[in-house]
Amino acid sequence: GENVEQHPSTLSVQEGDSAVIKCTYSDSASNYFPWYKQELGKRPQLIIDIRSNVGEKKDQRIAVTLNKTAKHFSLHITETQPEDSAVYFCAASSGGTSYGKLTFGQGTILTVHP
Amino acid sequence: KAGVTQTPRYLIKTRGQQVTLSCSPISGHRSVSWYQQTPGQGLQFLFEYFSETQRNKGNFPGRFSGRQFSNSRSEMNVSTLELGDSALYLCASSLNRGGFSYEQYFGPGTRLTVT
Repeated sequence: GENVEQHPSTLSVQEGDSAVIKCTYSDSASNYFPWYKQELGKRPQLIIDIRSNVGEKKDQRIAVTLNKTAKHFSLHITETQPEDSAVYFCAASSGGTSYGKLTFGQGTILTVHP
Repeated sequence: KAGVTQTPRYLIKTRGQQVTLSCSPISGHRSVSWYQQTPGQGLQFLFEYFSETQRNKGNFPGRFSGRQFSNSRSEMNVSTLELGDSALYLCASSLNRGGFSYEQYFGPGTRLTVT
């Protein structure tokens, strides 16, 4: 089955700096890659996603890049703010008979210091 | 549109008991997926239901089961509870009509504590 590895497990940055979180996946059939943000005691919230026919997607301060050949994708947050502090999860889905199944990475605790 | 709702939000059960959790998806969403979240194992897929049929199943024992009703609401059941079943149980709803994966939107979760 699919396996998703996420790095780093913790990331500490100063306000205004950029943050990058990287994930690798094992199943070459995976074609959908969402990123979720989970604040303490809250539900995971979809912040951006990318499909395998696209190499990069941007939404204001957040961007995601995908390298299908290397089977890795990354989340980039620019001009970080204290409210970006949360746990971030990457995930992968392979479609086919697994449309509703997301395989998650272990999460990255991002701390943005004012 | 109203978001995904889950009931109850908190549950305390004793080992050996069984529990039923409920999830109401976003209106119009026919796919409901269930996940278990623990500090040690992270977010793990339990199963997915679409149009009242289980379409996918994760690697959990048979004590974990679910179902979906004609209005797309879903329930999951855990029988013979073990201490290790203590977790946050999240459901997510999606359009997922087929063809490719759609965005999944999570409910607030049910915090289950087994004593």
